[in-house]
Amino acid sequence: AQKITQTQPGMFVQEKEAVTLDCTYDTSDPSYGLFWYKQPSSGEMIFLIYQGSYDQQNATEGRYSLNFQKARKSANLVISASQLGDSAMYFCAMRGGADGLTFGKGTHLIIQP
Amino acid sequence: SAVISQKPSRDICQRGTSLTIQCQVDSQVTMMFWYRQQPGQSLTLIATANQGSEATYESGFVIDKFPISRPNLTFSTLTVSNMSPEDSSIYLCSVEDQGLASYEQYFGPGTRLTVT
Repeated sequence: AQKITQTQPGMFVQEKEAVTLDCTYDTSDPSYGLFWYKQPSSGEMIFLIYQGSYDQQNATEGRYSLNFQKARKSANLVISASQLGDSAMYFCAMRGGADGLTFGKGTHLIIQP
Repeated sequence: SAVISQKPSRDICQRGTSLTIQCQVDSQVTMMFWYRQQPGQSLTLIATANQGSEATYESGFVIDKFPISRPNLTFSTLTVSNMSPEDSSIYLCSVEDQGLASYEQYFGPGTRLTVT
């Protein structure tokens, strides 16, 4: 069975600061993928970034980067230079095999001016 | 990335009735999934919609309650049957877009269901 743990229910960050959202995972699959999604108050799920378990380099997408530490089973999301529009729920998720995604409970990020 | 639409976007239904949610993708995709997000909760996978065969359901979800159809590679439906207030949730479909080096999953806008 797969499990995703997000230990930060909520975070307050000052605008323009960098943010790190924590995610740890557990799986017995040797091949897996890790995802981060943003869910604003409007409810849509916005794909941010993907990291494959065999990828040698950490994934980056614009202001988003994924700090992948395989031995520690962690896949933290880093948002550089945070903006007010970054305020939202953030979900870490995992995919193993041919299945859908297993999600963590999420972190509610609030960016303060 | 694939463009995904869902119908209806929201609905209010009476207990005991059924609602069918449609998911349409603008390109052919192999993998389609249905998720539920209960109020204030995370997303839970209901089932994988398989084209040409029965859906594969996750533990806690059964075909009689959540029948799924997948007639082709661009369309799927999820029916929520014999609804109760506990079924009030957002229901989302997602598709997998297998790029050259990654497996990205994209979500539809969701269907917000309220059961009274």
